[in-house]
Amino acid sequence: SYVLTQPPSVSVAPGQTARITCGGDNIGSKSVHWYRQKPGQAPVLVVYDDSDRPSGIPERLSGSNSGNTATLTISRVEAGDEADYYCQVWDSSDHVVFGGGTELTVL
Amino acid sequence: QVQLQQSGPGLVKPSQTLSLTCAISGDSVSSNSAAWNWIRQSPSRGLEWLGRTYYRSKWYSDYAASVKSRITVTPDTSKNHFSLQLNSVTPEDTAVYYCVRGVPNFLTGDPLGKFDSWGQGTLVTVSS
Repeated sequence: SYVLTQPPSVSVAPGQTARITCGGDNIGSKSVHWYRQKPGQAPVLVVYDDSDRPSGIPERLSGSNSGNTATLTISRVEAGDEADYYCQVWDSSDHVVFGGGTELTVL
Repeated sequence: QVQLQQSGPGLVKPSQTLSLTCAISGDSVSSNSAAWNWIRQSPSRGLEWLGRTYYRSKWYSDYAASVKSRITVTPDTSKNHFSLQLNSVTPEDTAVYYCVRGVPNFLTGDPLGKFDSWGQGTLVTVSS
């Protein structure tokens, strides 16, 4: 089965840049989607198809995908960015695969 | 704007059937460009896709291998909603369940696509 690996936690100071990685075998050949989840809330789509943003998501959030790593980058981090972030892909054997999630802490 | 409103019991006894419904507004369960999914989340299993139903000239459904023998996802066009039934539940099925709209992207070869609208979630506890 296909596995997506995320770091359990990332910490960053306000105003700095956070990078959350999602590792998978040849993930660059797949479309990666990213979700943000705040406590007690449902996940929200923040990046889709590697690097596109839904309406209402600020340009500070961006995505990239190449080789064995996809990355969600959050520039000029704010306190409101604190959340869990999940990557997700489609795989022909598993249908849908989610990463284990990364907790972003704003120091 | 699509909104999904879930309903159903929060407590189910072991060996019984878990049943949840998701009412759709702002889209149609019969849409030719969307699919209607159930995803659950628990501390032990993380986010786990369970299955979906969708209409492409006729109705289709597909399911995760982990629950395939126990799950049914069905549409109701008269009420514009879709439902989840999970049979023979055990405490391992305790989780927050979400109904979710999926938008496939066949241009990128992604038949399940992005999950762009989520219900509010229902905590279902399996316990006697």
